[in-house]
Amino acid sequence: GESVGLHLPTLSVQEGDNSIINCAYSNSASDYFIWYKQESGKGPQFIIDIRSNMDKRQGQRVTVLLNKTVKHLSLQIAATQPGDSAVYFCAETRSGSARQLTFGSGTQLTVLP
Amino acid sequence: EAQVTQNPRYLITVTGKKLTVTCSQNMNHEYMSWYRQDPGLGLRQIYYSMNVEATDKGDVPEGYKVSRKEKRNFPLILESPSPNQTSLYFCASSLTGVEPLHFGNGTRLTVT
Repeated sequence: GESVGLHLPTLSVQEGDNSIINCAYSNSASDYFIWYKQESGKGPQFIIDIRSNMDKRQGQRVTVLLNKTVKHLSLQIAATQPGDSAVYFCAETRSGSARQLTFGSGTQLTVLP
Repeated sequence: EAQVTQNPRYLITVTGKKLTVTCSQNMNHEYMSWYRQDPGLGLRQIYYSMNVEATDKGDVPEGYKVSRKEKRNFPLILESPSPNQTSLYFCASSLTGVEPLHFGNGTRLTVT
């Protein structure tokens, strides 16, 4: 069936380095993608989104890249800080519908001092 | 402060004892939904509601009920909990159902 998955379950980076978290999706009909951050003991928090008519979108210290050819999504975090330590989820849906949102299983990012 | 509030945060119960997890949002959102989060399985949708008195099944609705009598509240009801419903539950909302979701901080349920 259709699925959203993450390449690596864990990622450790040095404070100040850039982080890249990857996500593969298999539903070619997906046209809206979201990254969420989940800190320990909290619910997922929206980071950034991108629609399928874009290849790149930038936020504050974060950039999302979308490669529709290979169905790949990545989240880049610049100058990673201790507060960035969390689980990161990608999610995909069609027509932006929240009720059809499918989440990946998450990547644990650990920022080393 | 705009938020989604779930109660309780932690709940331990026994098999078959009916329970309700409450969810309330103060953002006047039309869309609300419930998810469960299990290791290795990610977030899976239980039920969702597009508006008052409009609810529908998600991907894993068995053993759960919901109601939406008011826009701000969306309780999750387990009529007869079983151990396989031990999980971390999240309520979420969005304005119309096409925006990113706002999540509550979760309810950790243990059924023995």
